[in-house]
Amino acid sequence: DVKVTQSSRYLVKRTGEKVFLECVQDMDHENMFWYRQDPGLGLRLIYFSYDVKMKEKGDIPEGYSVSREKKERFSLILESASTNQTSMYLCASSSPGAQETQYFGPGTRLLVL
Amino acid sequence: EDQVTQSPEALRLQEGESSSLNCSYTVSGLRGLFWYRQDPGKGPEFLFTLYSAGEEKEKERLKATLTKKESFLHITAPKPEDSATYLCAVQGGGSEKLVFGKGTKLTVNP
Repeated sequence: DVKVTQSSRYLVKRTGEKVFLECVQDMDHENMFWYRQDPGLGLRLIYFSYDVKMKEKGDIPEGYSVSREKKERFSLILESASTNQTSMYLCASSSPGAQETQYFGPGTRLLVL
Repeated sequence: EDQVTQSPEALRLQEGESSSLNCSYTVSGLRGLFWYRQDPGKGPEFLFTLYSAGEEKEKERLKATLTKKESFLHITAPKPEDSATYLCAVQGGGSEKLVFGKGTKLTVNP
């Protein structure tokens, strides 16, 4: 059974704090993704990685960075959290090939005060 | 630019009342069209992948179909537990990324 886990379900941080969101997958997938989901805007891609130490900007990378030191782990970093980064953050993974289905984690709901 | 439009935004059905959700798309070289179900406060759950026009897939009360311009998610005799937001996404040629629609929120009343 496929499994993507995220380090926290709920997180409350203060403006200016550095925030780390962790994602781990146990499917040996090469590709990993970070999205944010906001009402009325849908899912928007922040960053993705297709290999260890490789990263690509998505549609809204500003204010975020990522780290992928191991194949199974992909971290999203908010260098200096701001209130407009309050959102639901979703991690996903997939394997390149004929069936590139992305499997999602349960999400982290982040509130920045 | 790849685009996905889902309609309606929200749909209310009575239990047992069949209906369809629409996903219209424009994409360069479709590699796959994906349907997900998302419950409130949770991550999207994978339902189906469709790869070429004419393809159909079924799972319990759900059936997904695909044409060159749109996909339908048919719900037959829905139950209250089918209430959720249904998301459609496409993957274009040469890209690892998915482009998502904004979803259809389905409510099934008992």
